[in-house]
Amino acid sequence: GENVEQHPSTLSVQEGDSAVIKCTYSDSASNYFPWYKQELGKRPQLIIDIRSNVGEKKDQRIAVTLNKTAKHFSLHITETQPEDSAVYFCAASIRHGNQFYFGTGTSLTVIP
Amino acid sequence: DTEVTQTPKHLVMGMTNKKSLKCEQHMGHRAMYWYKQKAKKPPELMFVYSYEKLSINESVPSRFSPECPNSSLLNLHLHALQPEDSALYLCASSQATVSYEQYFGPGTRLTVT
Repeated sequence: GENVEQHPSTLSVQEGDSAVIKCTYSDSASNYFPWYKQELGKRPQLIIDIRSNVGEKKDQRIAVTLNKTAKHFSLHITETQPEDSAVYFCAASIRHGNQFYFGTGTSLTVIP
Repeated sequence: DTEVTQTPKHLVMGMTNKKSLKCEQHMGHRAMYWYKQKAKKPPELMFVYSYEKLSINESVPSRFSPECPNSSLLNLHLHALQPEDSALYLCASSQATVSYEQYFGPGTRLTVT
């Protein structure tokens, strides 16, 4: 099955700085890569996703890049704010598969 | 309506009790999921329903019994649970199972005493 690795496990940045979280996957058949943000005690919320036919996608301060050759994808958050503090999970879904394979999560702290 | 709802929000049950968790969505999604999540860990898939049929059971103990009465509802029946089953139980739904966005409900915080 698919194996998704996520780094770093914890990340602290100063407010206004950028944050980057990286994930690698093992199965070249994976074709959909969502990112979820989970605040303490809340549900995971989909914040951005990318499909394998696209190399980059951006939504305001958040962007995701995908390198299919190297089998890795990254979340970029610019101009970080304290409300960006949360646990972020990446995931991968295999073409014709029916489940997500989650990374182990990154706890992001934005220091005011 | 773009929301998945779950009841109850919190549940405390003894090891001999029988209880049920409920999940509802009105987005017309045909795939629904149960996940178990421990603190600071990713969601762990338990069951997948596709078009109201169970398509994945990730070797979950029989003390957890899922049910999908119709395309909008998903239940998880609990019986004879163990303290290690205490966790956040999340329901999710998606348009279909193959590579579609999954939307999560707020979860039920379960404590087994």
